[in-house]
Amino acid sequence: GAVVSQHPSWVICKSGTSVKIECRSLDFQATTMFWYRQFPKQSLMLMATSNEGSKATYEQGVEKDKFLINHASLTLSTLTVTSAHPEDSSFYICSARDVTSGVTPSGETQYFGPGTRLLVL
Amino acid sequence: GDSVTQMEGPVTLSEEAFLTINCTYTATGYPSLFWYVQYPGEGLQLLLKATKADDKGSNKGFEATYRKETTSFHLEKGSVQVSDSAVYFCALTEIFGNEKLTFGTGTRLTIIP
Repeated sequence: GAVVSQHPSWVICKSGTSVKIECRSLDFQATTMFWYRQFPKQSLMLMATSNEGSKATYEQGVEKDKFLINHASLTLSTLTVTSAHPEDSSFYICSARDVTSGVTPSGETQYFGPGTRLLVL
Repeated sequence: GDSVTQMEGPVTLSEEAFLTINCTYTATGYPSLFWYVQYPGEGLQLLLKATKADDKGSNKGFEATYRKETTSFHLEKGSVQVSDSAVYFCALTEIFGNEKLTFGTGTRLTIIP
């Protein structure tokens, strides 16, 4: 149980185009989903937290107009990288928090997707 | 702010060797500590956790003890197997914070037969 999928697993796009990445919780409902970014040899950096039906909360330094997040249902969140540039090339990972987790610490109840590698040419 | 520093990899060991991956942290409050493992092509999975000082988390033969005095949470395993080859991430979250997970850089472990 507690499987999170991401699609696509990798994508190559031209500079200036937009790319959408989907994150789905396959066998549970997620009130909260998280989007992370990882550069080579660096740690996962939280980009934003999204709650179903409301606007995402972005971390400091993350451009909300560039990284559009939509969490339209309890099983789906999308990250759209708008007008992508080579510096946006990275590994993007989502995680989802089970709606039944209650007050259990987040670290125990976040389930991670396998990641999406984006390369912008 | 919070931060996690873990041993840089890659680490290559022979099967049945003893494993230690060091992890130290900086936190302003009372963190819970975690080790995650990522196998090739899969998402991060929670390997073990500890929520207060002197707690020992354990799973699949791996152990880590929450040492508040040294702000450390080193991962150990007495005898590694080829199937343990993966990337390991140390992480923390503040118990009374905003649930944000702070990760280390990850350590790639390769076990050779």
